Amino acid sequence: DQQVKQNSPSLSVQEGRISILNCDYTNSMFDYFLWYKKYPAEGPTFLISISSIKDKNEDGRFTVFLNKSAKHLSLHIVPSQPGDSAVYFCAASGPLFYGGATNKLIFGTGTLLAVQP
Amino acid sequence: GAVVSQHPSRVICKSGTSVKIECRSLDFQATTMFWYRQFPKQSLMLMATSNEGSKATYEQGVEKDKFLINHASLTLSTLTVTSAHPEDSSFYICSARWTVNQPQHFGDGTRLSIL
Repeated sequence: DQQVKQNSPSLSVQEGRISILNCDYTNSMFDYFLWYKKYPAEGPTFLISISSIKDKNEDGRFTVFLNKSAKHLSLHIVPSQPGDSAVYFCAASGPLFYGGATNKLIFGTGTLLAVQP
Repeated sequence: GAVVSQHPSRVICKSGTSVKIECRSLDFQATTMFWYRQFPKQSLMLMATSNEGSKATYEQGVEKDKFLINHASLTLSTLTVTSAHPEDSSFYICSARWTVNQPQHFGDGTRLSIL
């Protein structure tokens, strides 16, 4: 049962254009969402997060949008750069989701972003 | 930014060997550390959650006697794959977090290959 879904396994974008990565979730108890970027043979790097009390969070070229009613979040990268080419994972957690305060993350399957020069 | 160091980055060993992987938080105290496993083209799957000074909490289907986790200090957690077999070959990644609702910061992972 995949509670966090990234339905696009890959995305190709031209340099300078906007990249939009999408993520859907099924559990309404999730209240904290994160995006990670991963290069091959490396661990994921934290990019940006958003709490469910917000619908938008921005950090430089990266903006995350949260639509709680649709259980959908997206990551916008603008302008896209070739160095942004990587696998992007969204992840979600909830405060007492598993009956404790561990706040473990549930990850999506990732989207491979390729930014073409 | 926060740095998590994971060693070794790659291990190749014979079946039956026990392998220890270390995860260190270098510039913060990690009250909680997590161990994940990633199969090719799949998501990160949480194996266990480790709080400093207490026993790890394992996810369903993860054998605690097979994957021994020790979190003896606020900066170090270890995962020992005991009597490893070829089916244990995988990419293992640790993460560390300072407090609840802070992002987890990941190590670079360990590629384990059991011959």
